[in-house]
Amino acid sequence: GAVVSQHPSWVICKSGTSVKIECRSLDFQATTMFWYRQFPKQSLMLMATSNEGSKATYEQGVEKDKFLINHASLTLSTLTVTSAHPEDSSFYICSARDQYGYTSGRTPYEQYFGPGTRLTVT
Amino acid sequence: AQKVTQAQTEISVVEKEDVTLDCVYETRDTTYYLFWYKQPPSGELVFLIRRNSFDEQNEISGRYSWNFQKSTSSFNFTITASQVVDSAVYFCALLTMFSGGYNKLIFGAGTRLAVHP
Repeated sequence: GAVVSQHPSWVICKSGTSVKIECRSLDFQATTMFWYRQFPKQSLMLMATSNEGSKATYEQGVEKDKFLINHASLTLSTLTVTSAHPEDSSFYICSARDQYGYTSGRTPYEQYFGPGTRLTVT
Repeated sequence: AQKVTQAQTEISVVEKEDVTLDCVYETRDTTYYLFWYKQPPSGELVFLIRRNSFDEQNEISGRYSWNFQKSTSSFNFTITASQVVDSAVYFCALLTMFSGGYNKLIFGAGTRLAVHP
């Protein structure tokens, strides 16, 4: 249980184009999802917190207009990198929180991670 | 403030050696969770262990063991008889329950472990 998928697993796009990354919780409802970015040889940095049916909360320094987040359902959040540039090339990882985990024996508020999406902007 | 420190940036060992990865955390909350994740070259985070702040019992799982000491705010991870497949980046993370916001998971910088044959 507690499986999170991401699509695509890798993507190459040209500078100036937009790319959408999907994050899905496959076997639980996730009212909250998180988006992280990881540069080579660095740690995961939280970009934003996505709540179903409301606007995302962005971390300081993350451009809202550049990284559009939509959490339209309890199992899907999307991250759209708009007008991508080479400096946006990174590994993007999402996680989903099982808010009702305690009813299924899981730790409440624990995050389950997707496999990541490697974005390369040329 | 919440913070996780993994002072060891890289560790290199020879197969079958024991290795300990250090993790020191800071939080004012009394209720929190600590995690260890493994990130192999593929990039996917692999969950290793979760420990809550009220459970200081050490844990052993095969060749892995964890030492949680609240007195020193440390949650160290030991791999016994290391193997080449243990080569990865290991992250320690802190999840606090009542610091407001959305219970953010705070990661340490990670320790890159290289196990050589």
